[in-house]
Amino acid sequence: SQQGEEDPQALSIQEGENATMNCSYKTSINNLQWYRQNSGRGLVHLILIRSNEREKHSGRLRVTLDTSKKSSSLLITASRAADTASYFCATDAGSWGKLQFGAGTQVVVTP
Amino acid sequence: DTEVTQTPKHLVMGMTNKKSLKCEQHMGHRAMYWYKQKAKKPPELMFVYSYEKLSINESVPSRFSPECPNSSLLNLHLHALQPEDSALYLCASSQGNNQPQHFGDGTRLSIL
Repeated sequence: SQQGEEDPQALSIQEGENATMNCSYKTSINNLQWYRQNSGRGLVHLILIRSNEREKHSGRLRVTLDTSKKSSSLLITASRAADTASYFCATDAGSWGKLQFGAGTQVVVTP
Repeated sequence: DTEVTQTPKHLVMGMTNKKSLKCEQHMGHRAMYWYKQKAKKPPELMFVYSYEKLSINESVPSRFSPECPNSSLLNLHLHALQPEDSALYLCASSQGNNQPQHFGDGTRLSIL
């Protein structure tokens, strides 16, 4: 079963614009992770943010975590056509990395 | 190229067939996972192996039988599958708790 929800379900932007997607979850977590999935491929890990962290950056990616609101956001700055993919948040509540994924946000970046 | 290798990439089988999916990683990870993903849906966890022992089975039907012969290999044996089992089957590995998972590109399974 899914732990949380993602918003929006789909996002269409032009190259150079920023893309923001949100993730909400229901239970306490050890960490929250974001993954990208290109069509027909496996998932690629983007960022892991631990429950005691509030913000993390990796290149053009910025992730925030608000444990009081049980929510996280992923910001992709200066988007490129290659960023076109589905993005999933996943919560890790322990037990050997048992991840529960959100429904995902489908992002389309047009040149 | 991913560091987790899954074979075959595609598999078509009848409901009476027996087949196996294979997964291999050489990153020294001690946890390995099987997920099932339907189109336009998130991955759903099926099994977790830690130190080559089955630690989580998410109430998966017995027609799916996992096996971990050694720390680098993970198999999923399939028997008497149903059409609704058609999906992308993903394998992943990690160093353990609080660590990211590395995914293979999956096996796309079609049941006739």
